[in-house]
Amino acid sequence: SQQGEEDPQALSIQEGENATMNCSYKTSINNLQWYRQNSGRGLVHLILIRSNEREKHSGRLRVTLDTSKKSSSLLITASRAADTASYFCATANTGNQFYFGTGTSLTVIP
Amino acid sequence: ETGVTQTPRHLVMGMTNKKSLKCEQHLGHNAMYWYKQSAKKPLELMFVYSLEERVENNSVPSRFSPECPNSSHLFLHLHTLQPEDSALYLCASSLQFPSKNIQYFGAGTRLSVL
Repeated sequence: SQQGEEDPQALSIQEGENATMNCSYKTSINNLQWYRQNSGRGLVHLILIRSNEREKHSGRLRVTLDTSKKSSSLLITASRAADTASYFCATANTGNQFYFGTGTSLTVIP
Repeated sequence: ETGVTQTPRHLVMGMTNKKSLKCEQHLGHNAMYWYKQSAKKPLELMFVYSLEERVENNSVPSRFSPECPNSSHLFLHLHTLQPEDSALYLCASSLQFPSKNIQYFGAGTRLSVL
C-alpha cells in the first residue's frame, strides 16, 4: 500500500492534554498534508509541510516531518472537546499521486 | 464552508434505481475529484477531472459513471448499485492536477443502498 498509515487508530484524552498522532508513508513525497474530518462530514485541510521542511506550526498545531524515516507527526496542544474528530495525513508523492491514510480517531473528553 | 457543495446530503436507493450525486465549486479550481469513504478504510480515489477531462479512473465499476460538464460542476451517476456501495461519497477540488495542492472537500453524500 502506498497510503500513509496513521498511528494510533484511536486516541482518547482529557481536555487540556496534548494529542500526538503519527503518520508513516512509503514513497518519496513533495509534501505531506494533515486533514481533519468531523463525523459524517468532509475533510478540512489543516496544514501542509513540504519535503524540505522539518517543522511547521499553525495555532495549536505542530507538525514535524522526518523524510529519512518517512514519517510525520501532528501535535495538538491544549486540546478542547471541539477537537474531537478524525485526523488524516495525505501524501503528494513525486509521481504526482495523492494518497490519504486510514486516519486517527481523536476523542477529547470534557 | 469550504466552497464545495454536494447534494443531496443523504440518499437511500434500491439496487435497481438510478440516481445522481452533484458537486459544485466556485473556487476557480481546475481539478475535481470523487472519493469513496467506507468505514475503517482509507479514502478511495474514484475519478479525477482536470479542465473537464477525465484524467484518472481507478478501476471503478461501470455502475458508477462520472460527468463533468464544466469546471465548476461534477456529477456521479449511479445505477444498479450493490449494498457494498453504501458509503460516504466525497467530492473535492484543487487548483490544478496533478495535485500537490490543498484539496477542498464538500460535506459528502451519505449513500445507503438497500
